[in-house]
Amino acid sequence: AQKVTQAQTEISVVEKEDVTLDCVYETRDTTYYLFWYKQPPSGELVFLIRRNSFDEQNEISGRYSWNFQKSTSSFNFTITASQVVDSAVYFCALSDWGGGADGLTFGKGTHLIIQP
Amino acid sequence: SQTIHQWPATLVQPVGSPLSLECTVEGTSNPNLYWYRQAAGRGLQLLFYSVGIGQISSEVPQNLSASRPQDRQFILSSKKLLLSDSGFYLCAWSRTGNSNQPQHFGDGTRLSIL
Repeated sequence: AQKVTQAQTEISVVEKEDVTLDCVYETRDTTYYLFWYKQPPSGELVFLIRRNSFDEQNEISGRYSWNFQKSTSSFNFTITASQVVDSAVYFCALSDWGGGADGLTFGKGTHLIIQP
Repeated sequence: SQTIHQWPATLVQPVGSPLSLECTVEGTSNPNLYWYRQAAGRGLQLLFYSVGIGQISSEVPQNLSASRPQDRQFILSSKKLLLSDSGFYLCAWSRTGNSNQPQHFGDGTRLSIL
C-alpha cells in the first residue's frame, strides 16, 4: 500500500528565511511518481513539480528546490528567501505506475505560515 | 488552454438531502477525471476516478457515487447525505495515459452538512 507522510503539520517562519518541508513516502513499486502541490487560502491546488523514481537529480526552480533521495524515501521541498505569498498548505503526493488513471495518494499537508 | 470548472463553490445541505456536484473540463479531449475529498485535519482522499465516459472506479466505499455522462463532465452525487460527508471536494483532470501526468484541480466545493 502507498503512504505519504508529512510530519510537519505547521511551520511558521519570518519572511526571507529558508524553510524545508519534509515528505517521506512508502510504496512497493519500483516505478512511481512524486508530486508537490500548493494550496493557497482560496483552496485550489496548484501543481508545482513531478519527479519520477528514476531521476534522483535535484531540481531548482527560482526560489524552490526539491531534494529527492530514494535511499531514505524522501522528497523534500525547500523555499529559499521565503515570502508572504508562499503562505499556503503544501501537499506531497505519490502515484504508482498503474498503467491507467490512478489517483494520487496525498500526505496530510504542511501549513506554511510566512510572517512579515 | 485547458480549464476546469467546478460548482457550486459553497453548499450547505441538511442531513438526508441529495447532492450533486458538477465538474467540467474545457480545452482537452478524453481526460482522466478525479474526485477528491479533503476532510478537516486530514489529507486529500481519492474518491473516484474515470478514464472515459461511463467508466468509474471507486477507491473508498462510501455514501457517494460518481457518473461521467459526457467526455468532459464528471458528477459527484449522493442520495442521502450524512454528517460525515462534510468537507472540501476537489475535482481534477489529467491527460489520458499513465499516472505520471500531473493532475490539475478545480477551485473546490466546500460542503457543510447540518
